[in-house]
Amino acid sequence: DVKVTQSSRYLVKRTGEKVFLECVQDMDHENMFWYRQDPGLGLRLIYFSYDVKMKEKGDIPEGYSVSREKKERFSLILESASTNQTSMYLCASSLYRGSDYGYTFGSGTRLTVV
Amino acid sequence: QKEVEQNSGPLSVPEGAIASLNCTYSDRGSQSFFWYRQYSGKSPELIMFIYSNGDKEDGRFTAQLNKASQYVSLLIRDSQPSDSATYLCAVSRSNDYKLSFGAGTTVTVRA
Repeated sequence: DVKVTQSSRYLVKRTGEKVFLECVQDMDHENMFWYRQDPGLGLRLIYFSYDVKMKEKGDIPEGYSVSREKKERFSLILESASTNQTSMYLCASSLYRGSDYGYTFGSGTRLTVV
Repeated sequence: QKEVEQNSGPLSVPEGAIASLNCTYSDRGSQSFFWYRQYSGKSPELIMFIYSNGDKEDGRFTAQLNKASQYVSLLIRDSQPSDSATYLCAVSRSNDYKLSFGAGTTVTVRA
C-alpha cells in the first residue's frame, strides 16, 4: 500500500511565524496535493504538483506556497501564519490523474495558530 | 452554488438498516466520482469509485450514478456501528489531476 506520511499530527504556531508542513510518499507517485479541511467547508485544494519543481495553484492559494524539490516530498509553507489558517491540513498523492483512481491521503496535520 | 453538495446530516440509522447518502454536482463535464470514508480524527480513505451511469456494488456498499440528473449516491446495506463516519463525495473532470469534494455527510449507526 502507498504510504503518505505527514511529519506532524499536531502543531501550534504563533501568528507571524513561518510554518513548514512536510509530506512524503513512498510509492513514486507523480502527483501530490495539499488540501485544508474545515467544518462545513469540506476539503479545499491549496496547491498541487504533477512533477518535480512543478506546481499549480488550487482554489485557495493565498497565504501559502509550496516546494517540490524531490519527487517523494511536497512541502506546504505558510509564509506568515495567521489565525484564519488554523485548520486540518491533508496531503495526498496519486500515480495517475485524480480522475482515474482518486488519491491516497496522509494522516493529516492539525495546525493551530495562536 | 457549490460545485459538490451533500446533505450534512447527521444521518442516524439503526444497525442493520440501509443508509442512503446523496451528492449532487454542478459541473456537467464531471466524469469520475468517488466516495471517501473519514472516521473522526482520521484522514479520508477511498471506498468506492464509479465512472458510468448505473450501479456499482462492492460488498455492502453500492454507488449509483445518474449523469443526466448530476446525482451520485452511496447506499450502505446492513449498516454496522463501524460504518459511523463522515462520507465525502468527490468528483473530477476527465483527465483532470484534481478532485473537488463535498463537505461530507456524517452517519451514525445506532446499535
